[in-house]
This record gives sequence, structure tokens and C-alpha cells, in this order.
Amino acid sequence: DTGVSQDPRHKITKRGQNVTFRCDPISEHNRLYWYRQTLGQGPEFLTYFQNEAQLEKSRLLSDRFSAERPKGSFSTLEIQRTEQGDSAMYLCASSTTGWEQFFGPGTRLTVL
Amino acid sequence: EDQVTQSPEALRLQEGESSSLNCSYTVSGLRGLFWYRQDPGKGPEFLFTLYSAGEEKEKERLKATLTKKESFLHITAPKPEDSATYLCAVQARNTGNQFYFGTGTSLTVIP
Repeated sequence: DTGVSQDPRHKITKRGQNVTFRCDPISEHNRLYWYRQTLGQGPEFLTYFQNEAQLEKSRLLSDRFSAERPKGSFSTLEIQRTEQGDSAMYLCASSTTGWEQFFGPGTRLTVL
Repeated sequence: EDQVTQSPEALRLQEGESSSLNCSYTVSGLRGLFWYRQDPGKGPEFLFTLYSAGEEKEKERLKATLTKKESFLHITAPKPEDSATYLCAVQARNTGNQFYFGTGTSLTVIP
């Protein structure tokens, strides 16, 4: 068990470009969460998958954001037409019970 | 609106100086309250889950307690390696699988 992994760890992009992040959860964890964290703030919930189904999505999530979890394994988070306000750490977490979440190291996005 | 407030924002302790961190919450029907530790540049690391008022959990120098309105994370005789940001999160009965995190308490333990 190598824990939750995320790729890339860092991404620098220009405003208006699209970016995609990948999360590989702990094997056999059927629950997967995406969060966004800015400096000095706690993680902010973005979306939740149970197996391949996206069951919840934050009301604050812009329609520029989309997430998938094909076959209930890895997940991707795509941000279209990035804006400077999208600069943040994007965290992925997985769980079996929905209580104890195991977080990955995050992807730090910088939008220039 | 559901809210989680942590205090203090930052705390500096001498090694061995015990203290407590506070997490107050206003949610409609608490399902669970969670404590995490986060080191700089890393994802949060799970510490405890508390489900009902009166419950307590311990791990090494840390002890978490829960009342109907707040939770405390007590740190006994801290060491420099306990320096981190401690995050509190709640899950409410009416918000499905969403977790609401506080802004955290940044703890520095000075040797």
C-alpha cells in the first residue's frame, strides 16, 4: 500500500489554458474526494465519488471544473480556461468508510 | 449555515508546555468531527474521529474531546516534532458526504 498519489505535484500554467490533474487512491478504497486549499485556509470540498459515480458536487464549483472516475479507480480533475483565482493546492483523498480520509500530497497549481 | 471555527490561529509553546486547541462548530445534526494534522507542503494526516458529546480519543501526546458545541485537542508535554497545522472538520447529517474544514491552528513547539 503506497498511499494516495497525485500527479503532477506542481503545475504552472497561463491564464486561459486547460489543466488536468490525476489522483490514484489507495487500492480498494471506493470513496474518493477532491478538495481545494489556499494558503492559510482549510481544505474546501469540491466533489465526491463512490466507485465511478459522482454523487456530490459543491455548489461553489464553477462549471469550468469537471471530474471523472472511470471504472472506479483513478480520478481526474480538469479545469478549463484557468483563471488566476484557481491558483491553489488541489488535494485528493480516499476512504473505505467515509470517516477516515487518507489524503494525497496534493497538486499545487499556479496560474500566471 | 454550517460553520467551523478554530482558535487560536497560531500558538507557540515551549517544549513540555501543555495546551489546548479549540474547534467550535454550528451544524445541523453532527455526524462526526475529525481532527487532522498537516505539515507544510503535504496533505492532511488523519488523527481522530469523534461521534458524540462526551467522547474522548487519545494518541500519544494528543487527546481529543467533544461537547455539543465544540471540540478540544489537548497536547500534553509537546515536542518540536508536534509542530504542524491542526485542522478540524465536521460532517453534518443534512449535507451528505461533504466535510467542512476549519482554517486550522498553526502550532510551533520551541525546543
